[in-house]
Amino acid sequence: QSALTQPPSASGSLGQSVTISCTATSSDLGGYNYVSWYQQHPGKAPKLMIYEVTKRPSGVPDRFSGSKSGNTASLTVSGLQAEDEADYYCSSNADSNTFVFGTGTKVTVL
Amino acid sequence: EVQLVESGGGLIQPGGSLRLSCAASGFTFNNYWMHWVRQAPGKGLVWVSRLHPDGMNIGYADSVKGRFTISRDNAKNTLFLQMNSLTAEDTAVYYCAREDLPGGLSNWGQGALVTVSS
Repeated sequence: QSALTQPPSASGSLGQSVTISCTATSSDLGGYNYVSWYQQHPGKAPKLMIYEVTKRPSGVPDRFSGSKSGNTASLTVSGLQAEDEADYYCSSNADSNTFVFGTGTKVTVL
Repeated sequence: EVQLVESGGGLIQPGGSLRLSCAASGFTFNNYWMHWVRQAPGKGLVWVSRLHPDGMNIGYADSVKGRFTISRDNAKNTLFLQMNSLTAEDTAVYYCAREDLPGGLSNWGQGALVTVSS
């Protein structure tokens, strides 16, 4: 169960977009559509932003979108706002009834 | 309102055992997969374990397999994590979470801090 690989940091200006990648070994992401993305502010519990690769839970702004191609999933935040500055984690179901999280990406809004 | 409240954390010596509890309310507990996720201080999220509503279908991270046991009491709406043979590497905030959407953990507790130190 190797962690999914994310860039340590990403940044974008207010109103611009930022895209975060999440790359796995072939056995993790390739055959599964249960890729999720979480936002975590300092000292807070994570919040689900995307599930099943592209779906947004109720209440999550449509500025957040997800996609997947092969072994890489991506989260795009459009129209960056100050409150989007946070840590973001991808996750996926893996084999043998297990899950795995990504290494995490700190998003800075310039 | 969905609520998940962890308890049982604390300071424990290396090699010791600890049992975490997660009290659930605001939803039909025995309809959902439940998870434990941990986060070491200043580090990222790490998935720990997952348990089906029937209490039988279970998954563990390799790092805890054989040392940790997940269980649930559906009558008391409570999830447990029994942690044995603890090491310093197990020091973390432990969150319980509900898998409400396919593969997605929609609800999280506030976390319970476990510190393994002599």
